[in-house]
Amino acid sequence: EAQVTQNPRYLITVTGKKLTVTCSQNMNHEYMSWYRQDPGLGLRQIYYSMNVEVTDKGDVPEGYKVSRKEKRNFPLILESPSPNQTSLYFCASSLLAGETGELFFGEGSRLTVL
Amino acid sequence: QKEVEQNSGPLSVPEGAIASLNCTYSDRVSQSFFWYRQYSGKSPELIMSIYSNGDKEDGRFTAQLNKASQYVSLLIRDSQPSDSATYLCAVISSKIIFGSGTRLSIRP
Repeated sequence: EAQVTQNPRYLITVTGKKLTVTCSQNMNHEYMSWYRQDPGLGLRQIYYSMNVEVTDKGDVPEGYKVSRKEKRNFPLILESPSPNQTSLYFCASSLLAGETGELFFGEGSRLTVL
Repeated sequence: QKEVEQNSGPLSVPEGAIASLNCTYSDRVSQSFFWYRQYSGKSPELIMSIYSNGDKEDGRFTAQLNKASQYVSLLIRDSQPSDSATYLCAVISSKIIFGSGTRLSIRP
């Protein structure tokens, strides 16, 4: 089954404790990206990657890191989480190496930072 | 002014009626437009894309684009309770930008 898989789906952590949210896609997609979704603010892009080893900042990159060492994986790293990073996070992928808008989303990861 | 604006709703429509969802955008050079559906607690799912002025129909869904007015809409005919969801408008100019969504409720 074609899918984008995120883990963990739910996480409660404390300020400053490093965490990684994994994202993996099995569709051989070139493009991957991370979004956060907050009430009233919609989906905001954190980072995106056009291809392996190519990543770039989205609209709200502060406090986050990413890497794209393999085509299928695009982990999101919070080095020192803070309460304002409490949010619902989505990983998404797209076939082509560009922002085509035709995104496949993972199921989401709900993060709470205390 | 937000780059992509949608009425947050909720928009309540009786079953069997036409639901009309609207979206305006600020960047005149935007070229690609999308509608995503997001059920409560689920991830967004692409349901329609439109790239040129006019209407595009897919089953019960019709997307309408008017670039001169910077306006894109989604019509859902014969609304069903299963259409109750939040609908996200997305626009690409130099990057993809999502609106904050319109919550649609279909009442039986």
